[in-house]
Amino acid sequence: DAGVTQSPTHLIKTRGQQVTLRCSPKSGHDTVSWYQQALGQGPQFIFQYYEEEERQRGNFPDRFSGHQFPNYSSELNVNALLLGDSALYLCASSLRRQETQYFGPGTRLLVL
Amino acid sequence: RKEVEQDPGPFNVPEGATVAFNCTYSNSASQSFFWYRQDCRKEPKLLMSVYSSGNEDGRFTAQLNRASQYISLLIRDSKLSDSATYLCVVNGQGNDMRFGAGTRLTVKP
Repeated sequence: DAGVTQSPTHLIKTRGQQVTLRCSPKSGHDTVSWYQQALGQGPQFIFQYYEEEERQRGNFPDRFSGHQFPNYSSELNVNALLLGDSALYLCASSLRRQETQYFGPGTRLLVL
Repeated sequence: RKEVEQDPGPFNVPEGATVAFNCTYSNSASQSFFWYRQDCRKEPKLLMSVYSSGNEDGRFTAQLNRASQYISLLIRDSKLSDSATYLCVVNGQGNDMRFGAGTRLTVKP
């Protein structure tokens, strides 16, 4: 049973650049949620994708955008990177937007 | 006021001890509650859901008090492997999950 996978595991970018992170949900899941976790904090909800549409969004600027593909995988794009975007980006999957979510190992983004 | 508040700890306890974590939430309309466990530099992993009637899973017991908007997690007979950060999670408006900052537990021999 394949769990949630994310790529890349680590990434270093400079301010102003753009980044794309990828997520494949757990086998059988169709909903993907993205979170940002800063050091010493709990994960913060960015947005959720279901049926290839953004269904809900947290308090993040438009620089954060996403996409979901027909195979349920998802991408998170961040434009015009800021130093404060340095964090662990977590993807979580669930079935039909149910609250029980399973997390991938995350992508560690460092913005210099 | 934060939506989900937890005592950050750290809690340092000996093996075999009983330890309790508390969590308060601000959204009275929340319907779903969870405890997740997060090891250092790893992803959060679901520990247990929290039901109105309370629920138990082995050494772990979770309770919910809707009137006080309060969730608790009790760990009995602590093991070294229980050392981790415990995250309290509450659903926000809709299906987005709101996480507390976590309570750090260290179990010592």
